[in-house]
Amino acid sequence: NAGVTQTPKFRVLKTGQSMTLLCAQDMNHEYMYWYRQDPGMGLRLIHYSVGEGTTAKGEVPDGYNVSRLKKQNFLLGLESAAPSQTSVYFCASSLRPGTSRRAYEQYFGPGTRLTVT
Amino acid sequence: DAKTTQPNSMESNEEEPVHLPCNHSTISGTDYIHWYRQLPSQGPEYVIHGLTSNVNNRMASLAIAEDRKSSTLILHRATLRDAAVYYCILRDPINTDKLIFGTGTRLQVFP
Repeated sequence: NAGVTQTPKFRVLKTGQSMTLLCAQDMNHEYMYWYRQDPGMGLRLIHYSVGEGTTAKGEVPDGYNVSRLKKQNFLLGLESAAPSQTSVYFCASSLRPGTSRRAYEQYFGPGTRLTVT
Repeated sequence: DAKTTQPNSMESNEEEPVHLPCNHSTISGTDYIHWYRQLPSQGPEYVIHGLTSNVNNRMASLAIAEDRKSSTLILHRATLRDAAVYYCILRDPINTDKLIFGTGTRLQVFP
């Protein structure tokens, strides 16, 4: 299993440009999450999804959109990038709570480092 | 969401035990205590979790105070690979099921 993979690993954008970050998992997890991590800070939840076709807002959703058209993929979009969105973005996935002993554990991808100039 | 308080940093020598404290005085009855760690330039990884009783696994032990207002992550013999930021997180699987990360404790391990 590859686990959770993220594409791309690095990206530099100019202010106002758009881009999509792709997260893929091969563990058949129902739940998927997008976090951002600013220097010296913990992770903050942007959006999450509890199943195919459903999404919900997290702590810091403004400026981002997401889609979960397939169970294994979770896309994070920036329509008009701003310097404040310079960060490292992490995707994670987990089983639905209560479905197994391992349902409590979130599996994280390696991150995407995004710089907006 | 209930908050946790951790020291910003701690140091240890290799092969010594490490006790990482966490205070969570506003914990609710349905909150689980989770620990994740983040190695340099990597995503976080799960370490251990518990509700009321002490827990052990291959990575660490979790000691939970009787009143649940604090807990301690115990690494029995620190290695250089254990140098990371350790996050203590309260997770309510019934109401929110989300992880709320604080700033964590940066653990340095010296040879």
